[in-house]
Amino acid sequence: DVKVTQSSRYLVKRTGEKVFLECVQDMDHENMFWYRQDPGLGLRLIYFSYDVKMKEKGDIPEGYSVSREKKERFSLILESASTNQTSMYLCASSVDTYGYTFGSGTRLTVV
Amino acid sequence: AQTVTQSQPEMSVQEAETVTLSCTYDTSESDYYLFWYKQPPSRQMILVIRQEAYKQQNATENRFSVNFQKAAKSFSLKISDSQLGDAAMYFCAYRSPMVTDKLIFGTGTRLQVFP
Repeated sequence: DVKVTQSSRYLVKRTGEKVFLECVQDMDHENMFWYRQDPGLGLRLIYFSYDVKMKEKGDIPEGYSVSREKKERFSLILESASTNQTSMYLCASSVDTYGYTFGSGTRLTVV
Repeated sequence: AQTVTQSQPEMSVQEAETVTLSCTYDTSESDYYLFWYKQPPSRQMILVIRQEAYKQQNATENRFSVNFQKAAKSFSLKISDSQLGDAAMYFCAYRSPMVTDKLIFGTGTRLQVFP
């Protein structure tokens, strides 16, 4: 089975800190995604990548950046964390049209 | 732009009974893919079922089946013989064939299962 691993399950950071959320997949998938999940809003796409060093903005990219230096790793960066970025962050990978494989999520709290 | 609507924030069902979760979507495309995902309290999103729009036959996976009405742009999920382990958030999702594998999700339905 494809495995998508997010490095932290819970994270607490201070306002203004630079935050890195790491995601690694082990099945050579081309496509990787970062979503944030908020109650009543569902999952909203932040960024996605369909190849190494390629990235595309999703629906809510403001305040975030990403890095994909290797095929298996897709990092989400909060340049200067703010309290409105407190959320659940989900990473996923996919190939073709068979749907996504998700990580377990990182619950980030910015204080 | 495509949108996905789940109009039931919460649903409940008795164990062993059947429940249907609703999903509607808006698109001008004729070929696309639809998905139902389950997110239990452990937070791991799991693919429940997948439907290809060009296939008229409704997808089925064990106790899970869909009612896909393309003209009505409706994609409901039926869970038969509900079990306590079915309690979770359920998300409906749409995938366009035109953009590299990007999924658009609904806001989710929380399903409670009572013994």
